[in-house]
Amino acid sequence: EPEVTQTPSHQVTQMGQEVILRCVPISNHLYFYWYRQILGQKVEFLVSFYNNEISEKSEIFDDQFSVERPDGSNFTLKIRSTKLEDSAMYFCASSAPGTETQYFGPGTRLLVL
Amino acid sequence: AQTVTQSQPEMSVQEAETVTLSCTYDTSENNYYLFWYKQPPSRQMILVIRQEAYKQQNATENRFSVNFQKAAKSFSLKISDSQLGDTAMYFCAFMKPSPGANSKLTFGKGITLSVRP
Repeated sequence: EPEVTQTPSHQVTQMGQEVILRCVPISNHLYFYWYRQILGQKVEFLVSFYNNEISEKSEIFDDQFSVERPDGSNFTLKIRSTKLEDSAMYFCASSAPGTETQYFGPGTRLLVL
Repeated sequence: AQTVTQSQPEMSVQEAETVTLSCTYDTSENNYYLFWYKQPPSRQMILVIRQEAYKQQNATENRFSVNFQKAAKSFSLKISDSQLGDTAMYFCAFMKPSPGANSKLTFGKGITLSVRP
């Protein structure tokens, strides 16, 4: 069964550094999302993306964040200058045309020191 | 804005027993979708079940079923014949659909379910 994949599974970085989190959505899906989950808290929406454009973003998704689909398969989340409070689990999700169900990847655990 | 409330932080159930996890939500929309996701210790988010608000029939998926009460804005998950592998965090989520199916999920805080052998 096709699934969403994410790399790396874990990333440790120093405050102020740039990180890029990578996702490979399910191949026939056209809608892509990033969510994050700070340890012990609920999952929060960051951004949705379709047709090479951001469809919606939350107040969390400020100028430090950007998303890109650099080729036909990858979907990336970049955090330009990481802060301690960016430490969280980041989930990528995708959905197919005509369906509302989002399928999640296994997540990237980001730790900012 | 929509909100999702899961008021029980933790529940425990004996293996093979039945357990019900509660969820309420607040919305002024008439058409929407509700989901239950499971997050085991591996922390991957796994879809358990979904319900379309326009459908009166409660969704079922093997041992998992929902009790969807639209007027009460309640969406509980029943797990029958609980198994040790059901031990996980369970999140209730709401989606207001938009054209193109590119809508965000709004999650509750989750409930930790422990299945005892």
